[in-house]
Amino acid sequence: DIQMTQSPSSLSASVGDRVTITCRASQSISSYLNWYQQKPGKAPKLLIYAASSLQSGVPSRFSGSGSGTDFTLTISSLQPEDFATYYCQQSYSTSIFTFGPGTKVDIK
Amino acid sequence: EVQLVESGGGLVKPGGSLRLSCAASGFTFSSYSMNWVRQAPGKGLEWVSSISSSSSYIYYADSVKGRFTISRDNAKNSLYLQMNSLRAEDTAVYYCARVMVEKWLVRQPFDYWGQGTLVTVSS
Repeated sequence: DIQMTQSPSSLSASVGDRVTITCRASQSISSYLNWYQQKPGKAPKLLIYAASSLQSGVPSRFSGSGSGTDFTLTISSLQPEDFATYYCQQSYSTSIFTFGPGTKVDIK
Repeated sequence: EVQLVESGGGLVKPGGSLRLSCAASGFTFSSYSMNWVRQAPGKGLEWVSSISSSSSYIYYADSVKGRFTISRDNAKNSLYLQMNSLRAEDTAVYYCARVMVEKWLVRQPFDYWGQGTLVTVSS
């Protein structure tokens, strides 16, 4: 099975900061990597799919990059509403959809 | 507007059973593959099961294989999860989620999610 890791597990940042979260797969997943944002008590929200495609309605300050095993989610200028937990997910496997453990972004 | 509304959660004893439902509206339900994803209290997301639009393809996480059964009724725009032999570690909020692209199951993200229903397994 494909395993997903994320780093860091948590980070503290200020409004306006550039934030980068890394996701790594245990084997190549091509570009089949998705990013979700989840706020407390809410359902996850799709931000980025296929490693770098921005989901409709998602602000352009969010971007994704990478392929193979290493991927990055970048928030170019952190806004108050961006404080949340971020999860990566691989959709390369034809029968299993694995999520990463999450990265919590909170206020410094 | 796409809406997914889960129901059926509650408190159940270890070894018991529960059936979750997800009512879909705002899109052609019969054209989309669907999924169940769960989240234990204070923990991350765990994919549970997927079903293709016509129920031809069904997949389960190893943690629930043999105990949970996913199904759908396209005439009723509904997705189900039958959960048997429940364990304490099945305690979680269960979300239903739609695959983004019509007629596809694999290699697609989940673009719409319900609000979740809480299942608590405890004696």
